[in-house]
Amino acid sequence: NAGVTQTPKFRILKIGQSMTLQCAQDMNHNYMYWYRQDPGMGLKLIYYSVGAGITDKGEVPNGYNVSRSTTEDFPLRLELAAPSQTSVYFCASSSPDGYNEQFFGPGTRLTVL
Amino acid sequence: QKEVEQNSGPLSVPEGAIASLNCTYSDRGSQSFFWYRQYSGKSPELIMSIYSNGDKEDGRFTAQLNKASQYVSLLIRDSQPSDSATYLCAVNRDFGNEKLTFGTGTRLTIIP
Repeated sequence: NAGVTQTPKFRILKIGQSMTLQCAQDMNHNYMYWYRQDPGMGLKLIYYSVGAGITDKGEVPNGYNVSRSTTEDFPLRLELAAPSQTSVYFCASSSPDGYNEQFFGPGTRLTVL
Repeated sequence: QKEVEQNSGPLSVPEGAIASLNCTYSDRGSQSFFWYRQYSGKSPELIMSIYSNGDKEDGRFTAQLNKASQYVSLLIRDSQPSDSATYLCAVNRDFGNEKLTFGTGTRLTIIP
């Protein structure tokens, strides 16, 4: 199993550009998550999904959108990139067994200039 | 009061000694507790899960949970320089809750 995969690893965007961060998992997990982590800071939940077709906002959803059309994939869309979105983005997944052990992808480092 | 609190450190421990990392949480009904290790520039890696009061050992790592006092700790025995990382505590407030609450992490440095 590859676990949780993310692409791209790095990206530089200009202010106002848009992009999609890709996340996929092959563990048949229902739950998937997007976090951002600013330098020296903790993880902040952006959006999460408990299954295909179901998404919900986390604590910092502004400026982002998500969709979940399959169990495996959970892309994060940035519209009109701003310097405040410079961060490292992590995708995670977990099974709905009640305990919520989350497994993280390798991350995408995004810089907005 | 933060929901999950950790001392940010840095915590410096000599090689071969025991490193002790602590985490307190505010929701008395919390059910699941996790320790993640995060190397600089890398993603969080799950290293320990604990669900019941008491100790859980896995190799050099021991997680300790005390629900009455609302704390969970991680002990690392025979600390190695490769243990130098930031350790994140995470709590699942309710069984079946789809979200984890993370602490901000404790930076651990093992001194050779």
